[in-house]
Amino acid sequence: DTEVTQTPKHLVMGMTNKKSLKCEQHMGHRAMYWYKQKAKKPPELMFVYSYEKLSINESVPSRFSPECPNSSLLNLHLHALQPEDSALYLCASSQLSGREYNEQFFGPGTRLTVL
Amino acid sequence: AQKITQTQPGMFVQEKEAVTLDCTYDTSDPSYGLFWYKQPSSGEMIFLIYQGSYDQQNATEGRYSLNFQKARKSANLVISASQLGDSAMYFCAMRVEDTGNQFYFGTGTSLTVIP
Repeated sequence: DTEVTQTPKHLVMGMTNKKSLKCEQHMGHRAMYWYKQKAKKPPELMFVYSYEKLSINESVPSRFSPECPNSSLLNLHLHALQPEDSALYLCASSQLSGREYNEQFFGPGTRLTVL
Repeated sequence: AQKITQTQPGMFVQEKEAVTLDCTYDTSDPSYGLFWYKQPSSGEMIFLIYQGSYDQQNATEGRYSLNFQKARKSANLVISASQLGDSAMYFCAMRVEDTGNQFYFGTGTSLTVIP
């Protein structure tokens, strides 16, 4: 199984709502990532988990809260978002770094609209 | 510091022709991996091809090949026999041993295949 799944595919939320994005992989990867991507721009790294521990947090506002309950699951909790947070949110996973580098596998993304 | 540069914001190619997408990189780490991803308008990031810094031969995957020139720090993607389905954004990315699990992305090239 070489698939990363993400739910929901689309999400519309108001600025006062609380919602969560979910990501799952069953490839045994121990590095998992959240990216934010605006149209025609490269993905912007938000968070990296290694062995279920947060290893990189790219100064993301606290209204985004990641969680890694186990080695297969990654959540992104959203609260009090702003309209400028509207974007495609991509989850990815990879083998942990080593001499032989492995690619990231990406999920299909969640298109988030904040009203 | 690690950096990936893609200098072609947009490219056009005639169907069945070959096209080269440019990518240059900068790192002082001797051990790194270079990746190309395709992102159609649907949003999913699709892994295309990988080149390791110690690989002696250029990578090839079907119609994709990577022109790796280590001394020039370039890793250009060559797509042969372009198809209409190749129209997409293409991102070059790098992973280095020093920073482990982080991937660095270029700004991308939008490729349009003309019938």
